Amino acid sequence: EAGVTQFPSHSVIEKGQTVTLRCDPISGHDNLYWYRRVMGKEIKFLLHFVKESKQDESGMPNNRFLAERTGGTYSTLKVQPAELEDSGVYFCASSQVLGGGDGNTIYFGEGSWLTVV
Amino acid sequence: AQRVTQPEKLLSVFKGAPVELKCNYSYSGSPELFWYVQYSRQRLQLLLRHISRESIKGFTADLNKGETSFHLKKPFAQEEDSAMYYCALRGGSNYKLTFGKGTLLTVNP
Repeated sequence: EAGVTQFPSHSVIEKGQTVTLRCDPISGHDNLYWYRRVMGKEIKFLLHFVKESKQDESGMPNNRFLAERTGGTYSTLKVQPAELEDSGVYFCASSQVLGGGDGNTIYFGEGSWLTVV
Repeated sequence: AQRVTQPEKLLSVFKGAPVELKCNYSYSGSPELFWYVQYSRQRLQLLLRHISRESIKGFTADLNKGETSFHLKKPFAQEEDSAMYYCALRGGSNYKLTFGKGTLLTVNP
């Protein structure tokens, strides 16, 4: 079974440019999450999708960040325009269910490293 | 508010020595605690969760509600244990994980 896949693995862009990160969750996982870790800080929650609906986007830092999940399959996270402080690792994760038990285990992708110069 | 504290940024031990990675949390309800591990060039993966009360790769962790701790322990460290370890909390029915800053464990030969 394929895991959570993310693309690109690394991206270097100039301040003011746009970057779009893509995440393909594990097949059959309705729940999709975005997290990020900026330098020196902990991994922080950005938002959560259930299928194509945004359930919680309380962790999105500002309106330069836009996440979508068309058709409830893959998701994209767009940063426009990128700022220096956006540099970090963006993790995507997915889970089958939200309740108790093994089904709510959250599986992470390898992360997309973003460097804004 | 949920908070997870990993006081050690770096931890270095010799092969065969015991290792303990500390994790303290702050949460008013009944939390679910996890340890995630990230080996070099690999994805973040679940190591263990407190509700399972299992031992994975020789690691164990016990939830101590009195001390609000969930320390990760292994009696005899191996070189392949070298990795970044993150303690994480999920509160009640909440689906969000709150992470600590992580501890980089290096096991020297």
